[in-house]
Amino acid sequence: ETGVTQTPRHLVMGMTNKKSLKCEQHLGHNAMYWYKQSAKKPLELMFVYSLEERVENNSVPSRFSPECPNSSHLFLHLHTLQPEDSALYLCASSQDLVNSPLHFGNGTRLTVT
Amino acid sequence: QKEVEQDPGPLSVPEGAIVSLNCTYSNSAFQYFMWYRQYSRKGPELLMYTYSSGNKEDGRFTAQVDKSSKYISLFIRDSQPSDSATYLCAMLTTSGTYKYIFGTGTRLKVLA
Repeated sequence: ETGVTQTPRHLVMGMTNKKSLKCEQHLGHNAMYWYKQSAKKPLELMFVYSLEERVENNSVPSRFSPECPNSSHLFLHLHTLQPEDSALYLCASSQDLVNSPLHFGNGTRLTVT
Repeated sequence: QKEVEQDPGPLSVPEGAIVSLNCTYSNSAFQYFMWYRQYSRKGPELLMYTYSSGNKEDGRFTAQVDKSSKYISLFIRDSQPSDSATYLCAMLTTSGTYKYIFGTGTRLKVLA
């Protein structure tokens, strides 16, 4: 595996379910990110981790809970989501926290019913 | 006013055409500029990464930054149907921030 890998690719969940998104980067990068991509909107930064420490929680509702157990893995735990949370969730990594380009995974397409 | 403006398209061109994709921005502190290509059902893929003003070329792609006009461009020469995708611009200041500002993307269709 190379680059940034995300699983699952697609997820359908009810509003009362709990699920998790997984991201793994094989680039040796030090920073990892969660972004939300909705139609016709710019990418929205959700969370940022640098060397496994959270450095950003961009006013994201508590129904989204990130976890970074090591510098290669990132999770996004989901519970009691709303239909407006349906979107493409992208994981990204960068060599360093600042002034380094982002490398994205292919995302998880989430549908909340 | 949005920090970054990008025409959503779609922009349709014949195969072999030169394509010009553009973003304008309002924050003069932006110093790093990136272009990403995103195919349907895929994540954004980094195409070009430039610092400050000037041009950068990579194969059929040329990125141009005009800081005086707050305008960046991506040119694609000899466009191919495989270039059909959404192109996102992104920017970053030098203030030690990780908060990239993205455009909404321009959808490009190259017709065979």
